[in-house]
Amino acid sequence: DAKTTQPTSMDCAEGRAANLPCNHSTISGNEYVYWYRQIHSQGPQYIIHGLKNNETNEMASLIITEDRKSSTLILPHATLRDTAVYYCIVRAPNSGYALNFGKGTSLLVTP
Amino acid sequence: GAGVSQSPRYKVAKRGQDVALRCDPISGHVSLFWYQQALGQGPEFLTYFQNEAQLDKSGLPSDRFFAERPEGSVSTLKIQRTQQEDSAVYLCASSYRQGGSSNQPQHFGDGTRLSIL
Repeated sequence: DAKTTQPTSMDCAEGRAANLPCNHSTISGNEYVYWYRQIHSQGPQYIIHGLKNNETNEMASLIITEDRKSSTLILPHATLRDTAVYYCIVRAPNSGYALNFGKGTSLLVTP
Repeated sequence: GAGVSQSPRYKVAKRGQDVALRCDPISGHVSLFWYQQALGQGPEFLTYFQNEAQLDKSGLPSDRFFAERPEGSVSTLKIQRTQQEDSAVYLCASSYRQGGSSNQPQHFGDGTRLSIL
């Protein structure tokens, strides 16, 4: 699986959009981009995933650049409950079973 | 609820004791995964089941770690002769389809926090 690079930490004001970047410059054509988050003392929570096209669901939007070498997770109106560690994971089907979480980005949403 | 359930939520054991951690996956989910999460780190893969078959145990740190899923639903992770370095959060996840050939997300429980004294 391709390696990802994320900032260690970010801050965001409550009510504003949180934009979390992820670099995956060695991504292969069949690898998906997944985002999970982990709120303190809870298990990881799936947010969204995509291959090429931008994706949106009730939680977030995922913007993937045309060359697929980077992506951005957007939380449109961050709340205090969005404070968590956000993990960007790149993975291909048929590439084994493990999700490689890395260290993620610690997002702090402030009042 | 309909999510992945793990028990106990917290477990304290003395060094050398055996422990057993339970995972109830989401009903109907074929795939089941165990991860270990050390303090301040991301989860790390331990093992994977497809129904009752353990298809990958490459992440188990030693032969003291053993996992089973005899009827293809509930799974137990057992650690024998526990050591202090086994202290971690143990997470269980499940997904609907086969874990290796699918892009389906994994759904996690809240984990068991194991402390070895």
